Amino acid sequence: NAGVTQTPKFQVLKTGQSMTLQCAQDMNHNSMYWYRQDPGMGLRLIYYSASEGTTDKGEVPNGYNVSRLNKREFSLRLESAAPSQTSVYFCASSEAFGQSWDYGYTFGSGTRLTVV
Amino acid sequence: AQKITQTQPGMFVQEKEAVTLDCTYDTSDPSYGLFWYKQPSSGEMIFLIYQGSYDQQNATEGRYSLNFQKARKSANLVISASQLGDSAMYFCAMREGRDSSYKLIFGSGTRLLVRP
Repeated sequence: NAGVTQTPKFQVLKTGQSMTLQCAQDMNHNSMYWYRQDPGMGLRLIYYSASEGTTDKGEVPNGYNVSRLNKREFSLRLESAAPSQTSVYFCASSEAFGQSWDYGYTFGSGTRLTVV
Repeated sequence: AQKITQTQPGMFVQEKEAVTLDCTYDTSDPSYGLFWYKQPSSGEMIFLIYQGSYDQQNATEGRYSLNFQKARKSANLVISASQLGDSAMYFCAMREGRDSSYKLIFGSGTRLLVRP
């Protein structure tokens, strides 16, 4: 089925460990995004990639890096995990403006990350 | 300043009744879009409805309608004939401008519980 695939679905890290969250979409969308969701705070944008070859910081980029590997894939890396990064992480994609405005994003199913 | 405000952390509604979930927004951009997403307990984000700032009529999608009051900067979601399956978190979101990044800003959400 077409959509956004995130891996892994669950992960437990120790403080200081690193990991990469993977995201791939097969809808030929230009733009991809990483959000984190904390209780009571909705979704906050970490990084986004408006098009292949570009990445930009969102609202809460500290402690994260991203790579837009190609048009399909957008990964999020935690270099040295901290307990404050315990959250649910969502990847999303969308067509560039003027194409699919009225459908917003297509979201992945999320990655639940716990840092102990 | 909050761009998207959802003032109802939790709401109850009786099955088969209508319910309104509030959302106010803040922007100086004349071109913007407003979205509502549903997040059931399983965690996925489901697109419900979209309203563009230049749309003359309120958006409707089945049992969902968006009560768009531009002068008041409000975009309330109305769910008619509530069903048990409507129990979920609901997020209001806004996209500003027509740039290529198409970032969405989310509110903190409202948890809706439908009582049988």
